[in-house]
Amino acid sequence: GDSVTQMEGPVTLSEEAFLTINCTYTATGYPSLFWYVQYPGEGLQLLLKATKADDKGSNKGFEATYRKETTSFHLEKGSVQVSDSAVYFCALYYGGSQGNLIFGKGTKLSVKP
Amino acid sequence: NAGVTQTPKFQVLKTGQSMTLQCAQDMNHEYMSWYRQDPGMGLRLIHYSVGAGITDQGEVPNGYNVSRSTTEDFPLRLLSAAPSQTSVYFCASSYGGETTEAFFGQGTRLTVV
Repeated sequence: GDSVTQMEGPVTLSEEAFLTINCTYTATGYPSLFWYVQYPGEGLQLLLKATKADDKGSNKGFEATYRKETTSFHLEKGSVQVSDSAVYFCALYYGGSQGNLIFGKGTKLSVKP
Repeated sequence: NAGVTQTPKFQVLKTGQSMTLQCAQDMNHEYMSWYRQDPGMGLRLIHYSVGAGITDQGEVPNGYNVSRSTTEDFPLRLLSAAPSQTSVYFCASSYGGETTEAFFGQGTRLTVV
């Protein structure tokens, strides 16, 4: 079945460091891909998305490119801030009539000043 | 615009007790879902609904019931709570479709003792 695998954390970085969180997926067909972020004590919120191969999603300095050939959707940011500390979830939409998402296990990011 | 509202935010139950987690959305979304979040497991789908009067099981439905009598509300019932149901529960809603964004409530932290 469809699945999402993302790098395990926690990830600890210093402020202004470069961030990469790896995400790969297994799916029949070409699902839409998402990154959600969960700040402490809050629910998840959409960070960015890409709906077809080679699309690049971007928001708040974060970027991810939908790579069909490597079935990947890695999250990157050039210079992280303390306020980026959160848990990041990669997800795919598996369509059909359900309208639901399959999530990776999440990667906790801590950014130190 | 309130978005997705979950109540309560925290709850402690004794084994065998029953309770209902409430979820309401004011965005006229057809799709609503319940997830549970456990450490190292990411989010797992419990039940979902594609419209009023229509519900179906997700990945981990055992021990939970749902109903959808209105577009706005999607309560989750625990009939006889067990310690294995200790978790953080999230309700989500969306318009559906592969490019759609899911909106999440702030979560209910449930402890079963």
